[in-house]
Amino acid sequence: GAGVSQSPSNKVTEKGKDVELRCDPISGHTALYWYRQSLGQGLEFLIYFQGNSAPDKSGLPSDRFSAERTGGSVSTLTIQRTQQEDSAVYLCASAWTALPVYGYTFGSGTRLTVV
Amino acid sequence: ELKVEQNPLFLSMQEGKNYTIYCNYSTTSDRLYWYRQDPGKSLESLFVLLSNGAVKQEGRLMASLDTKARLSTLHITAAVHDLSATYFCAVVLDYGGATNKLIFGTGTLLAVQP
Repeated sequence: GAGVSQSPSNKVTEKGKDVELRCDPISGHTALYWYRQSLGQGLEFLIYFQGNSAPDKSGLPSDRFSAERTGGSVSTLTIQRTQQEDSAVYLCASAWTALPVYGYTFGSGTRLTVV
Repeated sequence: ELKVEQNPLFLSMQEGKNYTIYCNYSTTSDRLYWYRQDPGKSLESLFVLLSNGAVKQEGRLMASLDTKARLSTLHITAAVHDLSATYFCAVVLDYGGATNKLIFGTGTLLAVQP
């Protein structure tokens, strides 16, 4: 597709349940990021994938969070045993390279609400 | 640890006025990005600054980068209501290193009043 696609756009889940958030980057983009944005806050880095290199997981807030990227394309962010503080918008971004001269393209995000 | 700070955090300005948003970062990097976010929307790329002294302009917005001072500015000229949004700067950590983590500033909420 022409842009970064994220699904679902909205997700309401009960506390303690697991959720999976999906990101389809722009075809050919090797770099992929996940960020979390809480209401009225900035963007918190979660994880970064670059090509076939080991991902930078340094921003994942706890071991309940994990992410994978299959075939260098689609990425899934999984949150296990969700807590209310996980409620936020989760944004995915992709780029041609690790240091893009044209910047990063963001998806529309998944709004996660844990009740 | 890379820190990226913006000021002001909130800016209320009148239409027609000029103002500057500042972005300071704590480590060496010569690649900086500016983004705009409208309420409830995703991020829109505004500028990519790739070297010391880089200056980019688009309409009423002009961005510059001083890598020696670790400072970027976003200057608004003759503000109009349509510029109301949150503006973020972002810096790449470990440029050229094993990771290229993109770290965002705190954001500046701009409200342009008629």
